[in-house]
Amino acid sequence: NAGVMQNPRHLVRRRGQEARLRCSPMKGHSHVYWYRQLPEEGLKFMVYLQKENIIDESGMPKERFSAEFPKEGPSILRIQQVVRGDSAAYFCASQPPTASSYEQYFGPGTRLTVT
Amino acid sequence: KQEVTQIPAALSVPEGENLVLNCSFTDSAIYNLQWFRQDPGKGLTSLLLIQSSQREQTSGRLNASLDKSSGRSTLYIAASQPGDSATYLCAVRPVGTYKYIFGTGTRLKVLA
Repeated sequence: NAGVMQNPRHLVRRRGQEARLRCSPMKGHSHVYWYRQLPEEGLKFMVYLQKENIIDESGMPKERFSAEFPKEGPSILRIQQVVRGDSAAYFCASQPPTASSYEQYFGPGTRLTVT
Repeated sequence: KQEVTQIPAALSVPEGENLVLNCSFTDSAIYNLQWFRQDPGKGLTSLLLIQSSQREQTSGRLNASLDKSSGRSTLYIAASQPGDSATYLCAVRPVGTYKYIFGTGTRLKVLA
């Protein structure tokens, strides 16, 4: 059973460009979380999605950021018009649908650098 | 507002020592607490998950305890090895939310 997959692993964007980060959860998992880790800081919750639904986006900036988890395919975190302050590691985590334990399984992360 | 604190921020010990990492949280209304390790430049690996109704969990040389009423958890690592060197993070899931709140971690270095 493959783990949580994220791609790309490293992404370089110039200011003003768009960044698209992908997350494929573990097989059978239908819940996805996105977190951001700024340099020398802890992980900060951004958004929680189930298939085709955004459940909690309270940690996501109101502008330029959006997330989706379609019925088919990976979850996408999109950052429009990136700025230097968006440079960070972005992690996704998945949970199974019957979250009896609520244990989260993390992907390796995407490291975004904005130049 | 739930806040999670980890002390110490960094720790360096000789190989073979038993050690304790601390995690405290301000609101005892949690579903669970999870301990992770993060290696430099890598993702998080789940170590132990303690449900709110549990007092401790064990896996190999690791033992995590939870005292919900005092807002504390400890991760005990027995007979530390250089391969244990990593950043250790704890996270809580507050009741009534789906999100997890993370501490800033303890950077552990075990010297050979």
